[in-house]
Amino acid sequence: EVQLVQSGVEVKKPGESLKISCKGSGYSFTNDWIGWVRQMPGKGLEWMGIIYPGDSDTRYSPSFQGQVTISADKSINTAYMQWSSLKASDTAMYYCARVGRGSYWYFDFWGRGTLVTVSS
Amino acid sequence: QTVVTQEPSFSVSPGGTVTLTCGLSSGSVSTSHYPSWYQQTPGQAPRTLIYNTNTRSSGVPDRFSGSILGNKAALTITGAQADDESDYYCVLYMGSDISMFGGGTKLTVL
Repeated sequence: EVQLVQSGVEVKKPGESLKISCKGSGYSFTNDWIGWVRQMPGKGLEWMGIIYPGDSDTRYSPSFQGQVTISADKSINTAYMQWSSLKASDTAMYYCARVGRGSYWYFDFWGRGTLVTVSS
Repeated sequence: QTVVTQEPSFSVSPGGTVTLTCGLSSGSVSTSHYPSWYQQTPGQAPRTLIYNTNTRSSGVPDRFSGSILGNKAALTITGAQADDESDYYCVLYMGSDISMFGGGTKLTVL
């Protein structure tokens, strides 16, 4: 069974750094792209970027390029999203999701999300 | 920058049929955009319904179907049920390994 287990709730202050995680199991983590999706409070889903854990090849939406860093550690089947200096506007739910097989560019399995709150 | 467009809201009667669409602010949607559709209820992670325009994800009932209608991707729900009341999002592949979500449609069943 494919599972993506995300790290827990985070409460941070503006300017702090943060790294959240997404651990995959039940499939070959190295061979499938993993993506990150943002959902700000009361708003829609936003495609942030994807990473191929096998070689850490990464793609970012232009909206998020330079704002976050996506990484992966294939030795522990875990993908990460990190911020070097959080802003209040980073407050959101963040989902990781596996990119489905074949060149169809869709998400087939989802994590439950990590809630990030940034407030002074 | 091109934006993926969806109706902000839609309503359907129980048992009725509704078609939600997914377009582009500039240009037409085709199968080369590999449209996919997701359902999200409040407080839950999204659920994948349709990918590659019209392929249902595992476990999705066949009253959900996807297509290209004119210059847009479409999600049709036939025989709407109360628990179909959700937010629905499409994703389009924009090239260079980048995709984009639409703004979502809030579907009311009443």
